[in-house]
Amino acid sequence: EDQVTQSPEALRLQEGESSSLNCSYTVSGLRGLFWYRQDPGKGPEFLFTLYSAGEEKEKERLKATLTKKESFLHITAPKPEDSATYLCAVRYSGGYNKLIFGAGTRLAVHP
Amino acid sequence: GAGVSQSPSNKVTEKGKDVELRCDPISGHTALYWYRQSLGQGLEFLIYFQGNSAPDKSGLPSDRFSAERTGGSVSTLTIQRTQQEDSAVYLCASSLEGTVASPLHFGNGTRLTVT
Repeated sequence: EDQVTQSPEALRLQEGESSSLNCSYTVSGLRGLFWYRQDPGKGPEFLFTLYSAGEEKEKERLKATLTKKESFLHITAPKPEDSATYLCAVRYSGGYNKLIFGAGTRLAVHP
Repeated sequence: GAGVSQSPSNKVTEKGKDVELRCDPISGHTALYWYRQSLGQGLEFLIYFQGNSAPDKSGLPSDRFSAERTGGSVSTLTIQRTQQEDSAVYLCASSLEGTVASPLHFGNGTRLTVT
């Protein structure tokens, strides 16, 4: 079954404490992997697209990497404003037009 | 510029009533998506519109759900005879094209509560 699994479900960090979020996927013919950030009461906000294994993208304190089976979102020296739910999604050959989303990781960064 | 706009932001309805949810995509975006987000769940794909092509309705959970897109712009999601399990946040997204390279831009959703 095609699916996307994110771990951990929730993560609590102290300000400045770096960590990584995981997104593993089991789909055939990956066409793109996407990371989104979602704040409470808001729609998801696009962060990155990764297309092939070995690719990396960076934005401020966030760095996304991709292998053939999973993606990591590395957060370096996080700040409280990085607190949000981070969603991973994939588009694949058999899924045609839709993105399959994981359930997300709720990140809380405390001062 | 203006983002994706959804209305209403909240809707409370009684079981059995029909509801209409509206989405105004970003101007010039040809692709439009509807997703549903239930508490603690990932986003669930409902339907996809691309230009004048026939919509991809493969994610609609039952025939009580329907959607249309008029003039290639505004879209309406209709749920007939609502049930309590329909309670969720309904999210609309648009993208410049329907290709992988065009990221989805989401609205803030309509929170539907069926009592």
